[in-house]
Amino acid sequence: SQTIHQWPATLVQPVGSPLSLECTVEGTSNPNLYWYRQAAGRGLQLLFYSVGIGQISSEVPQNLSASRPQDRQFILSSKKLLLSDSGFYLCAWSTPGLAKYEQYFGPGTRLTVT
Amino acid sequence: DQQVKQNSPSLSVQEGRISILNCDYTNSMFDYFLWYKKYPAEGPTFLISISSIKDKNEDGRFTVFLNKSAKHLSLHIVPSQPGDSAVYFCAASRGGSQGNLIFGKGTKLSVKP
Repeated sequence: SQTIHQWPATLVQPVGSPLSLECTVEGTSNPNLYWYRQAAGRGLQLLFYSVGIGQISSEVPQNLSASRPQDRQFILSSKKLLLSDSGFYLCAWSTPGLAKYEQYFGPGTRLTVT
Repeated sequence: DQQVKQNSPSLSVQEGRISILNCDYTNSMFDYFLWYKKYPAEGPTFLISISSIKDKNEDGRFTVFLNKSAKHLSLHIVPSQPGDSAVYFCAASRGGSQGNLIFGKGTKLSVKP
């Protein structure tokens, strides 16, 4: 069966510090991968998606970047965090080509920028 | 511009009764709709979906209804249980190989014993 891991679960970082959040998927090959952010009182905002290794698309301009160095690994990064980067970050995967579009989410990372 | 709208931020229902969560969308190109359930500090869990070629899909206590002419869908939970208390997100897809979803802001359901 497929599983998705995210770490760390919680993170407190000062403004201006770098960020690296990691997501890995097991039990599937060539998944589509996604990074979302849920800010307080808001819905899920898609930040990045990837349909393959090294292929990253950004949905919104921001202080963050993403990379996919391996088929089942997706990394969210920032060189210098802003207060507005605080939120709950979620990684998700889906199986391309099934025309069902279900995405399956990891447990999330709570990021607090102080 | 919010393409998927959940206009009720919260809903309170008595245990055993029906919960009805509503969702409206504006983009007629959406062809697949999904509902997710989310507990605090956890990732959303996929609940049920419906293709735009159908008007109803049922899975146990959960039924999703789609009214394309009104650009409206709803999730019915019968009977509601205290464990159903969570935030429910409606999502829509325009298809495509990337499979991107657009989410509503969510409705917090509270089921009281």
